[in-house]
Amino acid sequence: AQSVTQLGSHVSVSEGALVLLRCNYSSSVPPYLFWYVQYPNQGLQLLLKYTTGATLVKGINGFEAEFKKSETSFHLTKPSAHMSDAAEYFCAVSSGYSTLTFGKGTMLLVSP
Amino acid sequence: DAMVIQNPRYQVTQFGKPVTLSCSQTLNHNVMYWYQQKSSQAPKLLFHYYDKDFNNEADTPDNFQSRRPNTSFCFLDIRSPGLGDTAMYLCATSRDASLIQETQYFGPGTRLLVL
Repeated sequence: AQSVTQLGSHVSVSEGALVLLRCNYSSSVPPYLFWYVQYPNQGLQLLLKYTTGATLVKGINGFEAEFKKSETSFHLTKPSAHMSDAAEYFCAVSSGYSTLTFGKGTMLLVSP
Repeated sequence: DAMVIQNPRYQVTQFGKPVTLSCSQTLNHNVMYWYQQKSSQAPKLLFHYYDKDFNNEADTPDNFQSRRPNTSFCFLDIRSPGLGDTAMYLCATSRDASLIQETQYFGPGTRLLVL
């Protein structure tokens, strides 16, 4: 069985500040990890994913995430928040085949 | 250009009245998925089709059915909606079922309200 916990349903940052969205996972098999973003009235869009290899993964829009097996974490970061980053972010885990198990999501709020 | 299209975007139905949600894709992908996302909860996979092969999640209620008449279209049928079925329904597609190599592309969702 696999599960994802996203700490904080809402995270508020100022424009230009560091963004840190937390994700911890549980998996009985080697996990494949994903971050998706959902803008208002739009579908989920893949930001980045970890499958194998380098544990620091770079995605679109300046986001990156680091897979830390010892901490069972896959936190999402961005050095400098932009107003356009305001959205809901979902972390997900998979065994690698078809099924994605999502967290409950974190709403990122960016203030001027 | 829209790649995964869901209709309608908003649907209101009465308790017990059957409802059908539609998803179409222009990607020619083999796999199509339906997720249910209740308010403040994680999207939850209901079932998926690999081509014509239907795969139901173990805890998906019997009230939920799906049809895929061709590669481009997939339908979600709720035979007797209950108040607890009020949710956002997300359709997604991928070229193959392997998420290591492939990506799931999501539609904008249909927001269903059962009264």
